[in-house]
Amino acid sequence: AQSVTQLGSHVSVSEGALVLLRCNYSSSVPPYLFWYVQYPNQGLQLLLKYTSAATLVKGINGFEAEFKKSETSFHLTKPSAHMSDVAEYFCAVSGNGGSQGNLIFGKGTKLSVKP
Amino acid sequence: EAQVTQNPRYLITVTGKKLTVTCSQNMNHEYMSWYRQDPGLGLRQIYYSMNVEVTDKGDVPEGYKVSRKEKRNFPLILESPSPNQTSLYFCASSLRQGIVYEQYFGPGTRLTVT
Repeated sequence: AQSVTQLGSHVSVSEGALVLLRCNYSSSVPPYLFWYVQYPNQGLQLLLKYTSAATLVKGINGFEAEFKKSETSFHLTKPSAHMSDVAEYFCAVSGNGGSQGNLIFGKGTKLSVKP
Repeated sequence: EAQVTQNPRYLITVTGKKLTVTCSQNMNHEYMSWYRQDPGLGLRQIYYSMNVEVTDKGDVPEGYKVSRKEKRNFPLILESPSPNQTSLYFCASSLRQGIVYEQYFGPGTRLTVT
């Protein structure tokens, strides 16, 4: 069965500092991986996705993630944190076969940014 | 505007009183699903639908029903709500691009069952 582990339920960084949110996955087949962001009191918005093309994926709002098969990781980074990045971030992996539309989510990481 | 809509956005109800949360998408997506979000647990899938009249259980289907009579609508039905179904619910629909499904989420419905 596929699964996603997000290390750290809360991450706090200073404004302008590097943002690193960790995600490790478990999958018996080549995975499709996603990062979603949930701003306070809003729904989920797709940040970026990995679909077996380039291993370094660029998303919206300056975020990017690198797929590392050897480490089964898909960590999310942003060079310089901004107050507008305060949100909860979810890593997700798609299901197998006929249930490819099913997303299996991690438990989320809340990002706070200190001025 | 392409979107997924849910109604109501907020609902407080009592144990055992049947309720329906509606979900509608205007993007002609075939795939739709329902998730619940609970603190510390992330999002868990309740039910999904690959197409009209095709539905299947997700990870936490107990206590819920769904139907897919039209492509655009996918209502979530709680026949006899209980307090443990107090949660934030999201509907999502998917565009299939190749073999990858990219999901679009509604704004959420916050349900409280007393």
